[in-house]
Amino acid sequence: DAGITQSPRHKVTETGTPVTLRCHQTENHRYMYWYRQDPGHGLRLIHYSYGVKDTDKGEVSDGYSVSRSKTEDFLLTLESATSSQTSVYFCAISGSGRAETEAFFGQGTRLTVV
Amino acid sequence: AQTVTQSQPEMSVQEAETVTLSCTYDTSESDYYLFWYKQPPSRQMILVIRQEAYKQQNATENRFSVNFQKAAKSFSLKISDSQLGDAAMYFCAYRGRGGNTYTGNQFYFGTGTSLTVIP
Repeated sequence: DAGITQSPRHKVTETGTPVTLRCHQTENHRYMYWYRQDPGHGLRLIHYSYGVKDTDKGEVSDGYSVSRSKTEDFLLTLESATSSQTSVYFCAISGSGRAETEAFFGQGTRLTVV
Repeated sequence: AQTVTQSQPEMSVQEAETVTLSCTYDTSESDYYLFWYKQPPSRQMILVIRQEAYKQQNATENRFSVNFQKAAKSFSLKISDSQLGDAAMYFCAYRGRGGNTYTGNQFYFGTGTSLTVIP
């Protein structure tokens, strides 16, 4: 199994509070991604990173920010959580070579904003 | 941006029978990768099968095989001899060849097909 872990696995938070989700990899893969999964929408990209300190927005980036200060860590921050951000969040990693094309996923984080 | 469409929100199959899940995609690239992922109730995303667009031969992995029609931009998954453990949500995904361009290394997912296996 690819070495990728997410923390926390579950979190309940109140509207308006900041929340940070962590993704940690031990594979030294270049690319890291944050997705959210909602019924009927599949997985939608929030932000991704193509190197240390190199990040860009995905299709649903509003209300989220990310940081990648080390190859192995990719943080997702909800600056002020809203109920619409209740979702399951997945981190994924992938390499850049032809033999490293697939995405490996973390276990997911279920976030509930009340 | 590329789009991936799974037109079957739900499918069911009798145990030991064969089922085919559909996926179409839209791209202007000539070289790319396609994937099927399985998500059981545990929520873990598991790679089922991968296809490289430059390879004409359809990928197979044990009971799982694909029908890759590049001109039609179609990528269906066939599950043979269905087992109870195959019950899951299945996602079709696309990744461009990318090279060193970061935008080309994004993954695009369909909305998923929920597969039920009937004993």
